[in-house]
Formats: sequence, C-alpha cells, structure tokens
Amino acid sequence: DAGVIQSPRHEVTEMGQEVTLRCKPISGHDYLFWYRQTMMRGLELLIYFNNNVPIDDSGMPEDRFSAKMPNASFSTLKIQPSEPRDSAVYFCASSLAGAKGNEQFFGPGTRLTVL
Amino acid sequence: GDSVTQMEGPVTLSEEAFLTINCTYTATGYPSLFWYVQYPGEGLQLLLKATKADDKGSNKGFEATYRKETTSFHLEKGSVQVSDSAVYFCALTGSGGSNYKLTFGKGTLLTVNP
Repeated sequence: DAGVIQSPRHEVTEMGQEVTLRCKPISGHDYLFWYRQTMMRGLELLIYFNNNVPIDDSGMPEDRFSAKMPNASFSTLKIQPSEPRDSAVYFCASSLAGAKGNEQFFGPGTRLTVL
Repeated sequence: GDSVTQMEGPVTLSEEAFLTINCTYTATGYPSLFWYVQYPGEGLQLLLKATKADDKGSNKGFEATYRKETTSFHLEKGSVQVSDSAVYFCALTGSGGSNYKLTFGKGTLLTVNP
C-alpha cells in the first residue's frame, strides 16, 4: 500500500518567492496533519484537517502560511512570501479516526531551503 | 496544556548495550502514549504505543510501560544494534477533544557504534 506521499522532496527557493508543498494522504484516512521540524524548535504541529475541514490552525506561524484541503486525497501548504527562517523539513501525516490512540502515518517530508 | 519531556541527547552506545530513554508527560485525563522513530532522511514511524495505564507497548525488541503514577513512558531495549541509530520521539494524544493531536517531546538522538 502506498503511504503518505509528499512533493517535492527538496525545494530551494529565494526569499520572497511563493512555495507550495503538496501531500497525498493514505486513502481512506480522514485526518491530515502538517508539521514543521527544525533543530531549534523540534516538531511543531501547524494545522490539521478532519474530513477536509481545518480544525486547528493555531500552529500556523503567521499569515504568510496557508493550507488547503480541496478533497480527501490532496492538501497543500503554501508560504507566500517565503523567508529564510521558513527553512525546515515539513511533514504531512494522516490518520483514521477510530479507537483511542490513533496512529499517525508520516510522509517522507519536504526539505525547504529559503536563501 | 499537554507536554512531553524526554531526556536530552545525544546518546551514544556500543552494540549490544542496554538502552533507556526517559520520557515523562503532563496531561489531563488519560492520554495515549507513543514512541516514534525517525531514521536519517526519513519521516517518523510509529515504534510502539500504549493507550491505558499499565499497558506495555513493544516492537522490534523495544518496550515501554505506561506508568500513570509516575506519568512516565520510558523506552528500553536490552541489546541495541547499529541499525537502531535514529532519533526517538516520545509523544501523546490527549483525551477528549484533543484526541487526534500529537504532542511531541524534542527527540533523542541515539548512535550505536559497532
């Protein structure tokens, strides 16, 4: 079975440019999460969706960040304009609602470098 | 709010040594507890979990027991291998409305030398 798919795997861009990260969750999963990982701050939850609806975006750092989930099989995280401090690894994860203690399945991540 | 504290790394061991990575948590109610592992260049993978007090999660020789009285979920392995070198994250999902949101510790880098 295919796991969570993220693209691109690596992105290098210049400050001020728009960046779009993409995620395809595992088929049938109804929760989708976006995380950011840096050495300084560790893993941070940015936003999560349930049945394509954003539930909690309190982790989104500022208005430059936006996330959408137009359907059950696709989500995007957009940064506009990008800044060097946005350099990080961005992970997407999905899970299936059910019994307590649902496992989240992570994608391989997108390593973003903003010059 | 919920929080997870795990021992600072890095941890360096020789092959076949005993491993303990400490993890304690703060949460209301009855959280579920997890250990995730991240191998170099990869995403996180679930290593083991426990969903209620006194449960023991185990996988690939790793074990952790959910201790509500000490709010702990320490990771142990009796004999580590070079292939266990990775970053290990302790995490929890809260009870009630925050059931699906993972709160992570900062991670512990483990290096196992041959």
